[in-house]
Amino acid sequence: GAVVSQHPSWVICKSGTSVKIECRSLDFQATTMFWYRQFPKQSLMLMATSNEGSKATYEQGVEKDKFLINHASLTLSTLTVTSAHPEDSSFYICSADMGRESDTQYFGPGTRLTVL
Amino acid sequence: AQRVTQPEKLLSVFKGAPVELKCNYSYSGSPELFWYVQYSRQRLQLLLRHISRESIKGFTADLNKGETSFHLKKPFAQEEDSAMYYCALRRWGGGNKLTFGTGTQLKVEL
Repeated sequence: GAVVSQHPSWVICKSGTSVKIECRSLDFQATTMFWYRQFPKQSLMLMATSNEGSKATYEQGVEKDKFLINHASLTLSTLTVTSAHPEDSSFYICSADMGRESDTQYFGPGTRLTVL
Repeated sequence: AQRVTQPEKLLSVFKGAPVELKCNYSYSGSPELFWYVQYSRQRLQLLLRHISRESIKGFTADLNKGETSFHLKKPFAQEEDSAMYYCALRRWGGGNKLTFGTGTQLKVEL
């Protein structure tokens, strides 16, 4: 149980376009979802935390208008990279938990974004 | 702000040798510590958490508040242990947010 999926698994886009990444909890209700960014051979950096039905909370230094997060249902959160540029190329990973204190986070497989 | 440090990017050991992956943290409050593992081409998954005090796949980790460490240990490395290991910290009351270390690539050689 507790499976999180991401779609697409990889995407290549042109500079200036927007890309949407989906994160779904397949067999549980994810009250809270987290979005991370991972550069090659580096750690996961938390970008934002989203709770169903409310606005996402962004970490310091993360541009809210650049990385739009929507958590419209208990099983789906989306990350839209707007007007993508080559420096946005990265591995984006989502995770989810059930919203209770001390819950385990379950991670998605990640999405590789390459902006040309 | 909290920080997690994993000093070794790569740790190479022979099969059957003991393994210790180092993790140090800085946080003024009472943290919860985790080890996550990522096998080749697989997603990140929880290996163990300090409050569980359990051994998973032969690995153990003890929280040492005096040394602010949470080193991961296994007495006899197996080939299937080769993976990327991340230490992570969560603050109590911090909304379940995790702070990750930079990770250590463990390579178990035959």
